[in-house]
Amino acid sequence: GNSVTQMEGPVTLSEEAFLTINCTYTATGYPSLFWYVQYPGEGLQLLLKATKADDKGSNKGFEATYRKETTSFHLEKGSVQVSDSAVYFCALSGLIQGAQKLVFGQGTRLTINP
Amino acid sequence: DTEVTQTPKHLVMGMTNKKSLKCEQHMGHRAMYWYKQKAKKPPELMFVYSYEKLSINESVPSRFSPECPNSSLLNLHLHALQPEDSALYLCASSQPYRDSRYGYTFGSGTRLTVV
Repeated sequence: GNSVTQMEGPVTLSEEAFLTINCTYTATGYPSLFWYVQYPGEGLQLLLKATKADDKGSNKGFEATYRKETTSFHLEKGSVQVSDSAVYFCALSGLIQGAQKLVFGQGTRLTINP
Repeated sequence: DTEVTQTPKHLVMGMTNKKSLKCEQHMGHRAMYWYKQKAKKPPELMFVYSYEKLSINESVPSRFSPECPNSSLLNLHLHALQPEDSALYLCASSQPYRDSRYGYTFGSGTRLTVV
């Protein structure tokens, strides 16, 4: 079945450091891939998405490229800020049991220190 | 309007109470979802409504009863809950359910505590 594996956290970085959060997936067919972010006490916000192989999603300085050959969708940011501290979820969306379902990874907690 | 609005934001209820969670969206989405999220875990799908009809029930106990009165509203009726049902309940909506390209828009959730 469809599944998503994220690197385990927590991840702690200093401000302006380079960020990579690894995400790999297993899926049948051609899923769409997403990164969601959850700030403390809030719901999930869509950060970026990619709908086909080699697509690059980007938003707020974050980027991720849909790599079909390595089944990966790693999240990167060149210079993190304290305000980026949150939990990040990689997810895939595809037709399962005749309906769209979003399958999440376990989440990676990111803490950025000033 | 690109939001999903959930009420209440916080709810404390006893195990014998009956309460309801409400969710509203005005984005023209025709699929709506309930998710349950425990602390430090990803959201878990509970129910999917597509065109106001229940299309997926992920083997959720009957003490949770969903309702979709129209294309903009989604309710979750709660009765005789257990303390382990305490969690963040998230509502989401999306484009027609057969189109997987757009992801979901999530509400900010209702934090439920069962005492």
